Amino acid sequence: DVKVTQSSRYLVKRTGEKVFLECVQDMDHENMFWYRQDPGLGLRLIYFSYDVKMKEKGDIPEGYSVSREKKERFSLILESASTNQTSMYLCASSWTGGSYGYTFGSGTRLTVV
Amino acid sequence: GESVGLHLPTLSVQEGDNSIINCAYSNSASDYFIWYKQESGKGPQFIIDIRSNMDKRQGQRVTVLLNKTVKHLSLQIAATQPGDSAVYFCAENRENNFNKFYFGSGTKLNVKP
Repeated sequence: DVKVTQSSRYLVKRTGEKVFLECVQDMDHENMFWYRQDPGLGLRLIYFSYDVKMKEKGDIPEGYSVSREKKERFSLILESASTNQTSMYLCASSWTGGSYGYTFGSGTRLTVV
Repeated sequence: GESVGLHLPTLSVQEGDNSIINCAYSNSASDYFIWYKQESGKGPQFIIDIRSNMDKRQGQRVTVLLNKTVKHLSLQIAATQPGDSAVYFCAENRENNFNKFYFGSGTKLNVKP
């Protein structure tokens, strides 16, 4: 069963900490994405990557960075966590030019205290 | 039961009834649309898609209707079951770029036994 795996379901971090969210896909997809999901705001794109070592900013990149050293792994980094980054984070992957959109992970619920 | 998307984010229906979930999109150049289902504690899952050269597409118990004139998309679920309780998102593909989708904020469907 093909899937996208996010390393943690729940995380609690302190303000100012550096936080790493990891995502791994086993479908050999070229594209990977990080979204955050907040009530009433839907899914908002943070960063995406079309290839290894390639990244592009999404709609809300401030306070975040990403790393894609291998095709199957895409990491989201919160350089200095803040309480307004408390959210559900969703990783997704897709084929280039493919129908059926994205395959999503189960999400990581991050709480920054 | 019928929702009006963002103005009614929760839709309650009786088990066995048909459900209609609506979505308005903003970009007339969008040419590919997907409905996702997100159950509690899980990532969104693909339900059905439709391209802009179609008005209607049917799946198992689900039908998607596309009205390009008013930029409106709807998801119809026949004989709604308790397992259909979830949040439903529409996603539109813009810029003729299958690698980038934009998501609505979702409608929560509650199925009453």
